[in-house]
Amino acid sequence: QSVLTQPPSVSGAPGQRVTISCTGNSSNIGGGYAVHWYQQFPGTAPKLLIFESTDRPSGVPDRFSGSKSGISASLAITGLQAADEAEYYCQSFDSSLIRWVFGGGTELTVL
Amino acid sequence: DVQLVESGGGLVNPGGSLRLSCAASGFTFKNAWMSWLRQAPGKGLEWIGRSKRKADGGTTDYSAHVKGRFTLSRDDSINSLYLEMNSLNTEDTAVYYCCTMGVVGPKYYFDYWGQGTLVAVSS
Repeated sequence: QSVLTQPPSVSGAPGQRVTISCTGNSSNIGGGYAVHWYQQFPGTAPKLLIFESTDRPSGVPDRFSGSKSGISASLAITGLQAADEAEYYCQSFDSSLIRWVFGGGTELTVL
Repeated sequence: DVQLVESGGGLVNPGGSLRLSCAASGFTFKNAWMSWLRQAPGKGLEWIGRSKRKADGGTTDYSAHVKGRFTLSRDDSINSLYLEMNSLNTEDTAVYYCCTMGVVGPKYYFDYWGQGTLVAVSS
């Protein structure tokens, strides 16, 4: 059972917009801790996609965006491409558990 | 470019020990917080432990799942991070990743990842 809750899967057609939610509680996201997102392709290491809830590392297309409100955060992907098919994880810090925590991951399928 | 290269994984018997290494390059290692994370087969990501830079006290912190069994250490003179794992059990089977937590000042996220090294605990 992951501390942060993500939907197991989402899907969308090429060109569409999809969002992936990440829900926590008052000890993590709701406690003011930022949310970070990672993209992972099968057999490879995760890659930082969004940091500090809304910022993109250099090289990440602006089709990827993040937001945060209350105890939840979202990753939005616009102009969906086949190359976006991957697993996406959200991450934050939990002040009650005193550790970094992740969501269970969301598998994105491009139809 | 930042590079993190893990090594030392392999097959080990339950109750056994293993030492993982992570060779870092492309950034000022002594200034970075470093972490080990793992991913069990078909499962999600789990943070194991963090090593703070000496400027912040050089302390280490662990997840409750591994505290007392795993030990993080670092050698800033050769830009290397280590993970000593003892009393291994089958639930420790995973790909282990070495990660930076901010190559320009400490951050609460994992900005660079190694390729991972597989640890399999089985008799």
